Amino acid sequence: EAGVAQSPRYKIIEKRQSVAFWCNPISGHATLYWYQQILGQGPKLLIQFQNNGVVDDSQLPKDRFSAERLKGVDSTLKIQPAKLEDSAVYLCASSAGTINGYEQYFGPGTRLTVT
Amino acid sequence: AQSVTQLDSHVSVSEGTPVLLRCNYSSSYSPSLFWYVQHPNKGLQLLLKYTSAATLVKGINGFEAEFKKSETSFHLTKPSAHMSDAAEYFCVVNSGYSTLTFGKGTMLLVSP
Repeated sequence: EAGVAQSPRYKIIEKRQSVAFWCNPISGHATLYWYQQILGQGPKLLIQFQNNGVVDDSQLPKDRFSAERLKGVDSTLKIQPAKLEDSAVYLCASSAGTINGYEQYFGPGTRLTVT
Repeated sequence: AQSVTQLDSHVSVSEGTPVLLRCNYSSSYSPSLFWYVQHPNKGLQLLLKYTSAATLVKGINGFEAEFKKSETSFHLTKPSAHMSDAAEYFCVVNSGYSTLTFGKGTMLLVSP
């Protein structure tokens, strides 16, 4: 089966600019996650969707970050305006369910550099 | 609340020697535990998972891990390292809905 797709793979922007990332999960997976992975750290959950509803966005900086999942399939994550500390790899993952133990499948990530 | 501590930021081994990557966890509930591997410029891949069945879990590529509740540990081992095992490894805990908490990672270096 096809894996989780993300684009772009790399993005360089200046601070205060805006940027958007796209994710296409594995077909049939109801749950979609966005993670931020800063260099030298493990991934940190930003937001979790169940179909097209938000389950958890407690760690999403809502003053600058937004995400949506239209029709319960693809998702976009936007940053506006970007700050230097937003430089990181943004990972999208999907899973078939939300019960404890369901495996999450990760995409290759988008590496964002803010200058 | 849940947390994960990976005790070593870097581990260096020679090819053909055993691998031990250490992980301790903290959880308010009965956790599920995972090990993920991340090769450079590639996505995270699941190595193995523990979900309250057998405490010794076998994964892909010859890796295994043992869940020890009394020690709150879930160490990852492999009898004989291969050059292709060089990567970053993450210990992950899930003790509730589906939120995963990642450790900071251990970089495994394998020398010939």
